[in-house]
Amino acid sequence: SQQGEEDPQALSIQEGENATMNCSYKTSINNLQWYRQNSGRGLVHLILIRSNEREKHSGRLRVTLDTSKKSSSLLITASRAADTASYFCATDAGGYGGATNKLIFGTGTLLAVQP
Amino acid sequence: EADIYQTPRYLVIGTGKKITLECSQTMGHDKMYWYQQDPGMELHLIHYSYGVNSTEKGDLSSESTVSRIRTEHFPLTLESARPSHTSQYLCASSSLYEQYFGPGTRLTVT
Repeated sequence: SQQGEEDPQALSIQEGENATMNCSYKTSINNLQWYRQNSGRGLVHLILIRSNEREKHSGRLRVTLDTSKKSSSLLITASRAADTASYFCATDAGGYGGATNKLIFGTGTLLAVQP
Repeated sequence: EADIYQTPRYLVIGTGKKITLECSQTMGHDKMYWYQQDPGMELHLIHYSYGVNSTEKGDLSSESTVSRIRTEHFPLTLESARPSHTSQYLCASSSLYEQYFGPGTRLTVT
């Protein structure tokens, strides 16, 4: 079964609005990463949060992690049409013993930002 | 932009043919990965390698095989292609936690 499930499956917003995507996972993790994929191409790494961190920022991105609920959220502020893409969370289930460097990807959220 | 390359980008081939999907990276990364992704779906790890002469099967069973004779090269081979192999194949590499992806090969088996 899937390690990561994301919701919503699809999200459509206007430019300038904020977009929030959620990810839930099943097992303990060493770290959680978010990736972006444009139109079926390769993925691009956005941000990594370690299991002992609760929040992280990178530019217009804000990631939170709640290990007690086994969930994470990605917030994109002031969205732009160029943010239109699929967003995937990915977990490294290494736990406190160290990262396995094997990622399990979630089901993805398709974000459409209307100009 | 990550320096990881995949060829071909698109491949349409008949059932029973042998194919090799190429993946190369110029970053000197020890770890390399192959994922399979159907349209609009999540990625599934099918093979990975932590270094030269080291290969392991991933979480999704695959009839493909891989080899890692050089650090920079991680080709994937299908001995006899079938329509069920139609999918996108993504190669990635990493040194620490972050993975860098190639543009993918979209394979169609007729």
